[in-house]
Amino acid sequence: GNSVTQMEGPVTLSEEAFLTINCTYTATGYPSLFWYVQYPGEGLQLLLKATKADDKGSNKGFEATYRKETTSFHLEKGSVQVSDSAVYFCALISISSGSARQLTFGSGTQLTVLP
Amino acid sequence: KAGVTQTPRYLIKTRGQQVTLSCSPISGHRSVSWYQQTPGQGLQFLFEYFSETQRNKGNFPGRFSGRQFSNSRSEMNVSTLELGDSALYLCASSLYVAATNEKLFFGSGTQLSVL
Repeated sequence: GNSVTQMEGPVTLSEEAFLTINCTYTATGYPSLFWYVQYPGEGLQLLLKATKADDKGSNKGFEATYRKETTSFHLEKGSVQVSDSAVYFCALISISSGSARQLTFGSGTQLTVLP
Repeated sequence: KAGVTQTPRYLIKTRGQQVTLSCSPISGHRSVSWYQQTPGQGLQFLFEYFSETQRNKGNFPGRFSGRQFSNSRSEMNVSTLELGDSALYLCASSLYVAATNEKLFFGSGTQLSVL
């Protein structure tokens, strides 16, 4: 079956620090990969996505590259801000029998950015 | 354009009761998915509806059921509530049940507490 493994949190950084949140996956077929962000008291928002190998998704200074050879989709940002404090979820959708359209999520990584 | 609307925002029930949660998708969206979010299990897929038909179902007991109306609004019902059903229930909508790269839009969720 499909699975997503995220680095354990919580992660605490100072403002302007470099961020990396690791994500690896196991999937049948050719998955699309996503990063979602959840701010306190809110639902999930799509942060970025990549649909095929070597694609780079980017948004709001965040980037992630779809690496098929290492089955990874690590999230990076060069300079984090206090407003980036949230929970980040790596996820995938893979077309396979009976599971099309079902997002499989990682466990989430809590990021806190201190001023 | 209004986002995905979930009602109620908070709900408190006791064991053995039943509960119905509501989700109104973005106007024009025909697919609605439901997810359960708990600290222990993370985000888990419940089911997806498209054009009033259940298209996909996760590994939850039969106490969890749903339906979709002709206007694409969806309801989720949980019968004979258990303490372990306490969770944030998230609804997501999209235009179609389509390719793996289609964007899902999430609501803010209904926080259910079972006492």
